[in-house]
Amino acid sequence: NAGVTQTPKFQVLKTGQSMTLQCAQDMNHNSMYWYRQDPGMGLRLIYYSASEGTTDKGEVPNGYNVSRLNKREFSLRLESAAPSQTSVYFCASIDTDIHGYTFGSGTRLTVV
Amino acid sequence: GQSLEQPSEVTAVEGAIVQINCTYQTSGFYGLSWYQQHDGGAPTFLSYNGLDGLEETGRFSSFLSRSDSYGYLLLQELQMKDSASYFCARGADAGNMLTFGGGTRLMVKP
Repeated sequence: NAGVTQTPKFQVLKTGQSMTLQCAQDMNHNSMYWYRQDPGMGLRLIYYSASEGTTDKGEVPNGYNVSRLNKREFSLRLESAAPSQTSVYFCASIDTDIHGYTFGSGTRLTVV
Repeated sequence: GQSLEQPSEVTAVEGAIVQINCTYQTSGFYGLSWYQQHDGGAPTFLSYNGLDGLEETGRFSSFLSRSDSYGYLLLQELQMKDSASYFCARGADAGNMLTFGGGTRLMVKP
């Protein structure tokens, strides 16, 4: 029972490079989310997917795209990385019975 | 800007009780949640209040007052392992989205 699995755990990119962060959950949750967390701050919502086949922008979507590949998987893509995107990225899904998110372990991304 | 306010830092001694307060903007409010995050780790779910009142889970309790746009997390019998950041988060109707506060760093001292 893995919960939410994110890959990679660490990544260093050069400005202008692209990459995709992968996320998968095995809890049969409908809704999934991508957040970023900057040092000493709370989490800010980038994009979310309320159900398979739908995606919507959150608070800070610029510079990102997402794909809800199926019910399990929700990926986040940086098309042209910028130093301002240096952050820790968390994927999450929600158990609506308890109104609680389960988070992945995070991806620590540095853009140089 | 952030729609939730919580203290940035709280210090308490082992065995004591500490309360972390959170005030929020009421627009589209759907419920208040609390998460714990240890340094270098992922946030973990502690509690959810959808209605006014107190929810208790072991040493942790959470309270909500919708009329005051206010909630708190109460930690009892503090242990060293409780040293972490605690985030309140408000839910919105659409998509079960959460907006997080800036977090309260709790330091438990011997």
